[in-house]
Amino acid sequence: DTAVSQTPKYLVTQMGNDKSIKCEQNLGHDTMYWYKQDSKKFLKIMFSYNNKELIINETVPNRFSPKSPDKAHLNLHINSLELGDSAVYFCASSQEGTSGEQYFGPGTRLTVT
Amino acid sequence: AQSVTQPDIHITVSEGASLELRCNYSYGATPYLFWYVQSPGQGLQLLLKYFSGDTLVQGIKGFEAEFKRSQSSFNLRKPSVHWSDAAEYFCAVGATGGYNKLIFGAGTRLAVHP
Repeated sequence: DTAVSQTPKYLVTQMGNDKSIKCEQNLGHDTMYWYKQDSKKFLKIMFSYNNKELIINETVPNRFSPKSPDKAHLNLHINSLELGDSAVYFCASSQEGTSGEQYFGPGTRLTVT
Repeated sequence: AQSVTQPDIHITVSEGASLELRCNYSYGATPYLFWYVQSPGQGLQLLLKYFSGDTLVQGIKGFEAEFKRSQSSFNLRKPSVHWSDAAEYFCAVGATGGYNKLIFGAGTRLAVHP
């Protein structure tokens, strides 16, 4: 029943490792996003995909690579993790042509030690 | 450039009291405006949105917000706060269209005293 789901919910890893976060939406939306929420709760867009095509790519280090195998899935792969990557990562989706409201997943708390 | 300001970082109210959370935005055209709520350890839930029409919009959980173009504001209100409303509240602005990024304010943390 979950509209936007993310796995895992928690991820603890060491510096230098590579990790992935997965996101799936069952709302039939054609646009998906990744946001990063830092320790001060500030939310910032990282990427957006529309129908598997990258449309927004904010100034994010190229260690972060999103991949969209189909329009219901948007994964985030992070190489060579750094301490500053510790944050909560939210996936969201929306439907093109609507008023733009986005539906968010529960978040993945990434802790890099 | 688009931006959102939430002047109040932290607000404390008593249960049953009224609430107003402030939001000011900067955007060149008519914005799409949103309020989201984030309970501890949870994702963001959409409370309400404005994109055209009536400037007073009703949302879920008894919340409402009023769009005032002259003041570039979109303040969130609730007449009587419940203890379960304690959470982080985010105002956001989005460009027109369905696949644009949302620009979020820094959030306002609401605490509710019994």
